[in-house]
Amino acid sequence: QVHLVESGGGLVKPGGSLRLSCAASGFTFSDYYMSWIRQAPGKGLEWVSFITTSGEIIYYADSVKGRFTISRDNAKNSLSLQMNSLRAEDTAVYYCARGSDFFDQWGQGTLVTVSS
Amino acid sequence: QSVLTQPPSASGTPGQRVTISCSGGSSNIGSDFVYWYQQLPGMAPKLLIYKNHQRPSGVPDRFSGSKSGTSASLDISGLRSEDEADYYCSAWDDSLNGVIFGGGTKLTVL
Repeated sequence: QVHLVESGGGLVKPGGSLRLSCAASGFTFSDYYMSWIRQAPGKGLEWVSFITTSGEIIYYADSVKGRFTISRDNAKNSLSLQMNSLRAEDTAVYYCARGSDFFDQWGQGTLVTVSS
Repeated sequence: QSVLTQPPSASGTPGQRVTISCSGGSSNIGSDFVYWYQQLPGMAPKLLIYKNHQRPSGVPDRFSGSKSGTSASLDISGLRSEDEADYYCSAWDDSLNGVIFGGGTKLTVL
């Protein structure tokens, strides 16, 4: 059974940093592209970033380009999102998801709140 | 503002058929597959339809998807109370080099 478990969310001040992690199990992690998607409170879904199997190709949404960095550790079945220069508009539930152009497995999400 | 346009709300009574539309452009729906997700209240989204009309294992055949040109639609027949959820369409956008989602449609079962 596929499991994706996000962690690392919390309250951070504007301009601060946070690192999210996603622990994957139940499938061969290294065989799949992985993505981060977020959802602001009461709002719709917004794709954030994806990374290919070996990390050779990475894409970011314009809204986070230059501030967020996606990475993966296939030996540890782990996906990460380093978020710097956080803004109030980055406040959202962040989901780890399997896939690149569509997402067949999702984690339960971790809430990031950017507020002073 | 979403690049894919969905109606913000839809409703129907149990047993009815409901259609949710999703309108895009040549750089997304017009040139790539459409996907649909169901998000039940308080839950993570779940893949409902992939590659325009395919259903993942476990998704009832009451749910069907179609695409024509730069638009797509999700049909739900035999509406049930447990179908009350938010529904999102998505597609890869060649101009943005990323996935775009519709704004979501909140389905109410009356």
